[in-house]
Amino acid sequence: EVQLVESGGGLVQPGGSLRLSCAASGFAFSSNWMHWVRQAPGKGLMWVSGMNGDGSLTNYADSVKGRFTSSRDNAKNTFYLEMNSLRPEDTAVYYCVRSLSGDSDYWGRGTLVTVSS
Amino acid sequence: DIVMTQSPLSLPVTPGEPASISCRSSQSLLHSNGYNYLNWYLQKPGQSPQLLIFLGSRRASGVPDRFSGSGSGTDFTLKISRVEAEDVGVYYCLQPLQVPLTFGGGTKVEIK
Repeated sequence: EVQLVESGGGLVQPGGSLRLSCAASGFAFSSNWMHWVRQAPGKGLMWVSGMNGDGSLTNYADSVKGRFTSSRDNAKNTFYLEMNSLRPEDTAVYYCVRSLSGDSDYWGRGTLVTVSS
Repeated sequence: DIVMTQSPLSLPVTPGEPASISCRSSQSLLHSNGYNYLNWYLQKPGQSPQLLIFLGSRRASGVPDRFSGSGSGTDFTLKISRVEAEDVGVYYCLQPLQVPLTFGGGTKVEIK
């Protein structure tokens, strides 16, 4: 069974840092693109970042470029999002997503990040 | 960036009746391989989004056949042939063709 379990969310002050983790199981992790998608409270979906299977290609939304860094450890089947210089507008549920292309699309349950003083 | 525009914003529906949602993109989503790179998702209340349709018209595994996707280029439509109570939630379109990937603003479907 495919599982994606996010962790690491919480309350952080503006300007602070947080590292999210996504533990994957039930599929060939290293063969899949992985993405982070976020959803601000009561709002729509926004793609944040994506990384290919071997970690050689990473893309970011302009609003997080230079502040957020995606990485992956294929030996541990884990996908990460390092978030620095956090702003109140980064407050959202962050979803870990497999693929976003084709029928292998799968979403985790998300982890809430709150940026507030 | 490719801008995705959904309509309507809200869609009250009657169980058993059909429903239709539109998604328009600011650039063509038709790849040279002949596929349209357009996904549809449903986010039920309190849940993560779930894939309904990919490549414009292909139903994802386990999705009931009352859901269908159509369109090409910049104009796409999601149709529900007969709405059921479990279909309520917010529907989103997504273009995975070009970075940054972009979602439509969402269409909230609720029972009348």
